[in-house]
Amino acid sequence: ETGVTQSPTHLIKTRGQQVTLRCSSQSGHNTVSWYQQALGQGPQFIFQYYREEENGRGNFPPRFSGLQFPNYSSELNVNALELDDSALYLCASSLFLAGTDTQYFGPGTRLTVL
Amino acid sequence: DQQVKQNSPSLSVQEGRISILNCDYTNSMFDYFLWYKKYPAEGPTFLISISSIKDKNEDGRFTVFLNKSAKHLSLHIVPSQPGDSAVYFCAASDSGNTPLVFGKGTRLSVIA
Repeated sequence: ETGVTQSPTHLIKTRGQQVTLRCSSQSGHNTVSWYQQALGQGPQFIFQYYREEENGRGNFPPRFSGLQFPNYSSELNVNALELDDSALYLCASSLFLAGTDTQYFGPGTRLTVL
Repeated sequence: DQQVKQNSPSLSVQEGRISILNCDYTNSMFDYFLWYKKYPAEGPTFLISISSIKDKNEDGRFTVFLNKSAKHLSLHIVPSQPGDSAVYFCAASDSGNTPLVFGKGTRLSVIA
């Protein structure tokens, strides 16, 4: 059983650019959630995808968008990057079951916006 | 408004002793709680969870206690080991499938 993987590990972009981050879910999982973790903070929910449809969204602007593919891999896209977007971006996969869904995290992508 | 609070940014414990990490929440709709451990340059690793129908869950050296009336949970690690040194995050959700709401974390240092 493979765990959650993310790519790239690190990324440096400049303000105004666009970025795509990728995630492969743990095998057997059908749900993926993305979180942003700023320095000194806990992870903040961005959005969740279940069976290729967005299934909930946190307090993030529309320039944060995502996709989930039939193989349950996922992308997070951020347009018009701002300095405050610098953070660790975490992907978590889970099996959508009622009541006791545990999310398993990947190692994250460290994004730096200059 | 922070719905999940970990009021101790750091904790230092001697090897072999008990580590107690605390977490408070404000949202009474939360019914599923998790603890994650995070090492630098890695993603959070799931440790242990508890649903609101229980008040204790144990897994080896790790025990989580839930006090619903006080909206408080704690993680006990006995005995503490140097490899337990990490940042511990408390997280909560409403019925499991909704987004996890995290605290800011507590950095645990276990001193040999």
